[in-house]
Amino acid sequence: GDSVTQMEGPVTLSEEAFLTINCTYTATGYPSLFWYVQYPGEGLQLLLKATKADDKGSNKGFEATYRKETTSFHLEKGSVQVSDSAVYFCALSEVSGTYKYIFGTGTRLKVLA
Amino acid sequence: NAGVTQTPKFRILKIGQSMTLQCTQDMNHNYMYWYRQDPGMGLKLIYYSVGAGITDKGEVPNGYNVSRSTTEDFPLRLELAAPSQTSVYFCASSYDETQYFGPGTRLLVL
Repeated sequence: GDSVTQMEGPVTLSEEAFLTINCTYTATGYPSLFWYVQYPGEGLQLLLKATKADDKGSNKGFEATYRKETTSFHLEKGSVQVSDSAVYFCALSEVSGTYKYIFGTGTRLKVLA
Repeated sequence: NAGVTQTPKFRILKIGQSMTLQCTQDMNHNYMYWYRQDPGMGLKLIYYSVGAGITDKGEVPNGYNVSRSTTEDFPLRLELAAPSQTSVYFCASSYDETQYFGPGTRLLVL
């Protein structure tokens, strides 16, 4: 079946450091790919998405590119802030018409001032 | 526009008790989902619905039941609570591939 693998955390960075969180997937067909962010005590919020190969999703300085050849969707940000501290989830939407998601296990990011 | 709302925010149950977690969305979305999130794990799909009157099992349905009598509401029922059901439960809705999540219900079964 479909699956999503994320790098394990926690990831601890200093403010203004470069961020990469790796995400790879296995899937039948060409699913849409997502990054969600969860701040402490809250639900998940969509951060960005990409629906086809070579698409780049971007939002709030975060970027991720849908790489079909490496089945990857790595999240990057050039300069992180303390306010970016959260848990980040990579997910794919199954190609089944029901829009069901498969989630990665999440990566906790802590940014130090 | 409140989005997806969930009640209660937190609940403690004794083993064997039952309860219903409420989920309501005001976006007229056809698709709705229930997930559980265990510490250090991703979200696991419990049940989902593609429209009023239509529900189906997800990855971890055992111990739960759902109904979908209206487009807006998708309650999750726990009949005989067990410690293994201690978790945070999230409801989500969508009209296409992008899901919108509620704030979650934290459930503790003792």
